[in-house]
Amino acid sequence: DQQVKQNSPSLSVQEGRISILNCDYTNSMFDYFLWYKKYPAEGPTFLISISSIKDKNEDGRFTVFLNKSAKHLSLHIVPSQPGDSAVYFCAASVGNQFYFGTGTSLTVIP
Amino acid sequence: DAGVIQSPRHEVTEMGQEVTLRCKPISGHNSLFWYRQTMMRGLELLIYFNNNVPIDDSGMPEDRFSAKMPNASFSTLKIQPSEPRDSAVYFCASSKPLYEQYFGPGTRLTVT
Repeated sequence: DQQVKQNSPSLSVQEGRISILNCDYTNSMFDYFLWYKKYPAEGPTFLISISSIKDKNEDGRFTVFLNKSAKHLSLHIVPSQPGDSAVYFCAASVGNQFYFGTGTSLTVIP
Repeated sequence: DAGVIQSPRHEVTEMGQEVTLRCKPISGHNSLFWYRQTMMRGLELLIYFNNNVPIDDSGMPEDRFSAKMPNASFSTLKIQPSEPRDSAVYFCASSKPLYEQYFGPGTRLTVT
C-alpha cells in the first residue's frame, strides 16, 4: 500500500504565479521528508527537505511546509518559472527507508 | 565527482533472457538503493545496501530479481528470466546514511 501519496498527477501554472504541490503520508513514524525534481531522461535530483521537528523550510523560491497532525506536506514554488516544469516527487523516510510518491507533473506556462 | 553512474542507459531484450543492470555509486557514500519507476506505482524501492550489505530486500518483486554489491563501488541488479511486465526505468541511488539520495540517470528496460 502506498505510504506516500501525491493525488494530483499534473498541475499547470502561469509563469510568475505560485505553484503548490501536495503530498500526504500515512506513517506517523516518518521523521524526514524530501522533494525531488525529475526532468525527462534524467534521474530525480534532490530539491529540498524538512525534518519532522520543523514545520517550514525555505530555500530561495522553494518552501516546504509540514503539517504533522494532518500528515500533509506541500511544496511552494514562487514565482514559478518555465524551467521549473518537471515531475516532482515527494518522499518520506524513517531510518534509512525511503518511500516515494507517484509524482506530480508541473507545467509552467510562459 | 561524476555522480552515480548506471549502465546501460537503455536495454531491450526478449522475454526469458537474463538482464544485468550496473551501478557505480558516488565515492564515500555508504548506502546504495535500487528503485523501479512505473507510471502506476511511481518510484518503488527494490532493495538497499548499507556498507555493501543488503539491509532490506522486501521490495524485490520476485525470486527472478537479485542484487549484489561485491564492493563499495559497484552493484548489480539482475533479472532472470525477464518478463514483459519488468519493463520500467530502473534507478540506482547512493547516499551517506540518513542524508538525501543522489540518483543515477536510470536504465530504461524494455522486455518484448
